[in-house]
Amino acid sequence: AQRVTQPEKLLSVFKGAPVELKCNYSYSGSPELFWYVQYSRQRLQLLLRHISRESIKGFTADLNKGETSFHLKKPFAQEEDSAMYYCALRRQAGNTPLVFGKGTRLSVIA
Amino acid sequence: KAGVTQTPRYLIKTRGQQVTLSCSPISGHRSVSWYQQTPGQGLQFLFEYFSETQRNKGNFPGRFSGRQFSNSRSEMNVSTLELGDSALYLCASSLGGLVEHTQYFGPGTRLTVL
Repeated sequence: AQRVTQPEKLLSVFKGAPVELKCNYSYSGSPELFWYVQYSRQRLQLLLRHISRESIKGFTADLNKGETSFHLKKPFAQEEDSAMYYCALRRQAGNTPLVFGKGTRLSVIA
Repeated sequence: KAGVTQTPRYLIKTRGQQVTLSCSPISGHRSVSWYQQTPGQGLQFLFEYFSETQRNKGNFPGRFSGRQFSNSRSEMNVSTLELGDSALYLCASSLGGLVEHTQYFGPGTRLTVL
């Protein structure tokens, strides 16, 4: 079975400080990893996916298969980054369900 | 394109009743997935429909069921409601193809069971 663990429920950082949201997963095969974000009073939306290897809103995430991690990073946090962040996994085999972590609330303090 | 819409946005029911929630996907999307979100368990997958067929199913009791219509709209039904069914129910739509299947989420239906 697949499992996604986000060890921090809440992460508070000062504006301009680096951010790292941790995500660890357990899955024996090749997973597809995602980060979803939910801003206040908005719907859940995709932030980035590992296969795209892109930077969105300054955020990046690298899949580390050795450590089974997919941490989300941003060098300089902005107040507008305050939101709930969910890491999610899907088996890399077509249309399979997303398995979500329980989320980390990021609070950026001015 | 209009986003995923869910109706109603809020529902209050009592134990033992049943409820039906509706989800309209983005135009052209053929896959609809349903999730239950609670503070304790987070987001949990209920089921997914593609072209009117249930393609994937999560670990929920048979009281939770769904269906999809020919226009890709989907409904989920919960019978014999229990207090623990109080949650935010999210649906997500995607193209459903083998390559591109990014899921787009609706705003959710907040169900409260008294």
